[in-house]
Amino acid sequence: AQSVTQLDSHVSVSEGTPVLLRCNYSSSYSPSLFWYVQHPNKGLQLLLKYTSAATLVKGINGFEAEFKKSETSFHLTKPSAHMSDAAEYFCVVSREWGYQKVTFGTGTKLQVIP
Amino acid sequence: DVKVTQSSRYLVKRTGEKVFLECVQDMDHENMFWYRQDPGLGLRLIYFSYDVKMKEKGDIPEGYSVSREKKERFSLILESASTNQTSMYLCASSLSLRRAELDEQFFGPGTRLTVL
Repeated sequence: AQSVTQLDSHVSVSEGTPVLLRCNYSSSYSPSLFWYVQHPNKGLQLLLKYTSAATLVKGINGFEAEFKKSETSFHLTKPSAHMSDAAEYFCVVSREWGYQKVTFGTGTKLQVIP
Repeated sequence: DVKVTQSSRYLVKRTGEKVFLECVQDMDHENMFWYRQDPGLGLRLIYFSYDVKMKEKGDIPEGYSVSREKKERFSLILESASTNQTSMYLCASSLSLRRAELDEQFFGPGTRLTVL
């Protein structure tokens, strides 16, 4: 079965420093992968999506993620954190090819220190 | 913009009550989902619907049922609410089942349900 593991439940960075949120996946086929963000008291919003077109995926708000099949990873990065990036981030993997159900990771809360 | 709305932001119910959570999407999406979100557990799928009157159990369907009589509306029903169903409930929709590419899910703002 497909699964995702978010390696850190909490990450704390200083404003202006790089962000790295780690995600490893397990899949028996080449999966689709997403990152979603949830700001406090708001709904989830798609940050970016990988569907095998290109291994480096650029998303909104300066975030990007790289699909590494050999490492089964899909880490989320941003060169310089902004206070508005403080939120919870979820890594998501598809379950079966051509099927719309997904599996969510347990989430990583990003704290940005001024 | 796709809009997914949920009937209540906050709800307080008593143990044993029947609870209805309503979700409406306005973009003619075929798929609709109900999740519950608990700290440290991420989002867990309760039920999934891929067409009117069609539904499929998710990972944690026990104690819940769903109804989809119209394409735009997907209801989650707690037949007899219990305290362990206190949670944040999120509704989502996505475009179509019959696509090779996995579609983005659009989420509602959530309903925070407390069962006393």
